[in-house]
Amino acid sequence: AQKITQTQPGMFVQEKEAVTLDCTYDTSDQSYGLFWYKQPSSGEMIFLIYQGSYDEQNATEGRYSLNFQKARKSANLVISASQLGDSAMYFCAMRSSGSEKLVFGKGTKLTVNP
Amino acid sequence: GAGVSQTPSNKVTEKGKYVELRCDPISGHTALYWYRQSLGQGPEFLIYFQGTGAADDSGLPNDRFFAVRPEGSVSTLKIQRTERGDSAVYLCASSGTGFTGELFFGEGSRLTVL
Repeated sequence: AQKITQTQPGMFVQEKEAVTLDCTYDTSDQSYGLFWYKQPSSGEMIFLIYQGSYDEQNATEGRYSLNFQKARKSANLVISASQLGDSAMYFCAMRSSGSEKLVFGKGTKLTVNP
Repeated sequence: GAGVSQTPSNKVTEKGKYVELRCDPISGHTALYWYRQSLGQGPEFLIYFQGTGAADDSGLPNDRFFAVRPEGSVSTLKIQRTERGDSAVYLCASSGTGFTGELFFGEGSRLTVL
């Protein structure tokens, strides 16, 4: 069975600083994908970044980067130059190859302080 | 609009009543998903449609839950004999043929069973 663990219920960061949100996963599958979603107070889940298990390079999307350490089964999200609008819940998720089911963690609430 | 649309945004009902939640996916997206998000948790998979058929309904908690997508576009999640434990936000998502297969979510339908 797949499992996502996000150990930080809440994180605080000063505006313009970088922050790392932790995510570890458990799976016996060899091929899988890892995702990060942002959920602002409106409730809509917004896709941020994707990392395939066979990708050798860490994924980057603008201010978001994914620190993928396959041997440790971790997929931490790094947000650089935090902005007030980054305040939201952040969810890590995974999906095995051949499955359409996304498994989510419990999320981390990020608060960006001015 | 161009995004996933869900109605109603809020639904309050009494225990034992029947409820329908509607999802209108992004035009052209053949894959449609329903997730349920309880307070303080990440979304949990319910069902996945590819076109008109339910390709994976392994997440439906019991036979009180049913979903249809008769014309391969709009989907309806139906809950019979509602229980207080059904109270949650029901999220709908759709996906196209993007490389990562990321999901595009609606803002959800918040169901409260009194």
